Amino acid sequence: DGGITQSPKYLFRKEGQNVTLSCEQNLNHDAMYWYRQDPGQGLRLIYYSQIVNDFQKGDIAEGYSVSREKKESFPLTVTSAQKNPTAFYLCASSGDRDSKDTQYFGPGTRLTVL
Amino acid sequence: DAKTTQPPSMDCAEGRAANLPCNHSTISGNEYVYWYRQIHSQGPQYIIHGLKNNETNEMASLIITEDRKSSTLILPHATLRDTAVYYCIVRALTGGGNKLTFGTGTQLKVEL
Repeated sequence: DGGITQSPKYLFRKEGQNVTLSCEQNLNHDAMYWYRQDPGQGLRLIYYSQIVNDFQKGDIAEGYSVSREKKESFPLTVTSAQKNPTAFYLCASSGDRDSKDTQYFGPGTRLTVL
Repeated sequence: DAKTTQPPSMDCAEGRAANLPCNHSTISGNEYVYWYRQIHSQGPQYIIHGLKNNETNEMASLIITEDRKSSTLILPHATLRDTAVYYCIVRALTGGGNKLTFGTGTQLKVEL
């Protein structure tokens, strides 16, 4: 089945530790995105990548880093510099030939900092 | 991207049609109307999008007024599994690479 997978579903980390969230897609999409969602709020864009080996900062990139070495993978690292990392993290992709602007989301990773 | 206004919550009986309104009075000529929904603790799910003509797919229908200042998402036969927050988003097509701006949406509760 085609789709977007994120792992793990739940993640716990100690304060001061870096942690990497996985996002993989087999939709052959060019663009990939990372969003953050806090309780009762909408999504905020962290980083996005329109093509392999290229990525751009979103609205709240501070304390995060990404890489895009392969078309199907866009991992997000939450660094110790991120002041409030506890949140629900969502990965998305777009780039279907018929609808490049339609973003499809993964199931999300809920990160809790202890 | 144009701002949208949606009611914070709606209820619907199972098996009935759910009609979710959205106002987007400042929409520009090149902006599309997108609908997503998010079931609790899951990623948002794309439903449908349109420019000015009414659209229908296996999930829903989208009715856009002639002046394009408002639209309605119709779930023809709502089920309990349709309980979710529904987001109406207006944005221009950019060929990919831009964010989706989610507002607070409409919490639809489908009941027996």
